[in-house]
Amino acid sequence: GESVGLHLPTLSVQEGDNSIINCAYSNSASDYFIWYKQESGKGPQFIIDIRSNMDKRQGQRVTVLLNKTVKHLSLQIAATQPGDSAVYFCADAPTNSGGGADGLTFGKGTHLIIQP
Amino acid sequence: ETGVTQTPRHLVMGMTNKKSLKCEQHLGHNAMYWYKQSAKKPLELMFVYNFKEQTENNSVPSRFSPECPNSSHLFLHLHTLQPEDSALYLCASSQVGGSNSPLHFGNGTRLTVT
Repeated sequence: GESVGLHLPTLSVQEGDNSIINCAYSNSASDYFIWYKQESGKGPQFIIDIRSNMDKRQGQRVTVLLNKTVKHLSLQIAATQPGDSAVYFCADAPTNSGGGADGLTFGKGTHLIIQP
Repeated sequence: ETGVTQTPRHLVMGMTNKKSLKCEQHLGHNAMYWYKQSAKKPLELMFVYNFKEQTENNSVPSRFSPECPNSSHLFLHLHTLQPEDSALYLCASSQVGGSNSPLHFGNGTRLTVT
């Protein structure tokens, strides 16, 4: 089956710099995308989502960009802080999956390391 | 503080033991899930309960037995597990019906099978 993947397993950035985490998806029927953050010893935490009728969505210090042409998703974190250190992974779901886990596909994750 | 609570946080069990994992969601959601998270692998969906009815079982071995007594509680009963079953077991909940919505996860149970 099709799966969601990430370009880099580990990303190291300086505290205060901006981070960009990338994700490629292969399911052309996907129209709902989610980013999760998982800190050590915790479960995945919802960060932000975006639907395919949008190219960009902003949250608090985070921005998700969606390029449907090349099936690419990215998460930008502004002014990274030590608390941003975590594994970030994306997930996608097909059209009208009705919410929940139906058709939801997760990537393996990128480990973001914030250096002082 | 997460709206999905899992107990215990850590569990060590022998292959002949029987134990249960517990999950409770305080979000008013109508669907609950069990996921398995192993190192360097994507999350694996194990079981799905919509409105207390099991709707999906992704070829999970029978040594894992789920139970959903109501829309807020979910259990995973374990018996005669294998060492390769050692992993982080995550419970999640969501609101299904209508448009897509994200899953909300608990902090998981770290299971070690000896």
